[in-house]
This record gives sequence, structure tokens and C-alpha cells, in this order.
Amino acid sequence: GQNIDQPTEMTATEGAIVQINCTYQTSGFNGLFWYQQHAGEAPTFLSYNVLDGLEEKGRFSSFLSRSKGYSYLLLKELQMKDSASYLCAVRDGRGSTLGRLYFGRGTQLTVWP
Amino acid sequence: GAGVSQSPSNKVTEKGKDVELRCDPISGHTALYWYRQSLGQGLEFLIYFQGNSAPDKSGLPSDRFSAERTGGSVSTLTIQRTQQEDSAVYLCASSQAGGSYEQYFGPGTRLTVT
Repeated sequence: GQNIDQPTEMTATEGAIVQINCTYQTSGFNGLFWYQQHAGEAPTFLSYNVLDGLEEKGRFSSFLSRSKGYSYLLLKELQMKDSASYLCAVRDGRGSTLGRLYFGRGTQLTVWP
Repeated sequence: GAGVSQSPSNKVTEKGKDVELRCDPISGHTALYWYRQSLGQGLEFLIYFQGNSAPDKSGLPSDRFSAERTGGSVSTLTIQRTQQEDSAVYLCASSQAGGSYEQYFGPGTRLTVT
């Protein structure tokens, strides 16, 4: 099975840096995704990690440690529009279920002015 | 359009009725997924289609739920004899291949069972 944990809520102020952690325990692993979901909208893709290390994309970075079953999403220079739910998802690597994504419950980030 | 589309956007139905939810994936995407998201919950996997392979139905919560994908494109999720616990947002996603690429989500169908 898959078990994915992330904090339920986080708050930060505009211009600050916030790190959202995700830990996972999986039977098979073939990559980790981060998605952003604004209230009432569909999730949108932010980042993908399959190898250990840091992937940087503008104000957002994502880190993966496969040996520790751990990832984080780092958001820099926070803006009000970054207030959203951030979903961590692990892709299954087993043959029969290859491609499935298992999602955490999401971290609701609120950015204050 | 360029993105994944779903219809209807909202559906209110009475308990015991059947409903059909439709998903139009991005053209050329061979993989299609259905998820369910209840209030305050994460996305729950329901079913996955990849090309002409047999679908992965292991996430369907009961035999009242079924889905098909015609011609490798449009998919329909059917819920028979709806129950109040079926109320949720049903999201469809597609990707270029089974597991190598990110999934693009549609806007979802909000189902309310009264």
C-alpha cells in the first residue's frame, strides 16, 4: 500500500519562504509529484522528482530523498496568490499498477499580507 | 480546447438514481485517470486507462461504479443507485503515457446526492 503524510495547514507572510514536507511509505516508487490546487479548481502540476536532489523552477523548488522517503516543496518570495492547497503525490512503480498516483491529503497554505 | 474537459460541471441527483460523468482528455494523451475528492480529503484514485490495455479498476469503491473509454478518447464514469456518500468532486486527468509524464486535470464534476 501507500501512505503519504503532509501537514494539514501552514501559514506564512508575503515575501517569506515556506517549506512543505511530505513523507511517504510505498510498496513501489517511480517518482514524486507536487501539485497546486486553488479552492474550487483542478490541481495543476508544479514539479516532479524521480532522483535524489533538488529541482528548481523559478520561485518553487522540490527536493527528494528516496532512502528517507521524504520530499519537500520550497516556495520563495511568497505572494498572496500562492495561498492554495499543495498536494504531494507518489507514482506507483509496480508493473500491475504502474502510473497510478497516490495523493496525500494536501497542505493548505495561507499567505498573509 | 487544449485542456481536459468534463461535463457536467455540477450535478445534483436524488439518492438511488444513476448518473453519468463525462471526460474529454487532451488529444493524443493515451492515459486517462478518474479520481474522487471529498471535502477536506485528498484525491482518491478510482480507475486508470492506458491505451488498449485492460483498465486498472482497483480503486473503484463498489460495483455501483463503472467506467469505460470509447475509441481511446472520451471516458464515461457511471455511478448506479447513487448514495449520499457518493457526493464529491470527480476529477479526470490525462497524460501522454502511462506513468512517465505529469497528469493534466480537468475542472471536475461536483456531484451532490440528496
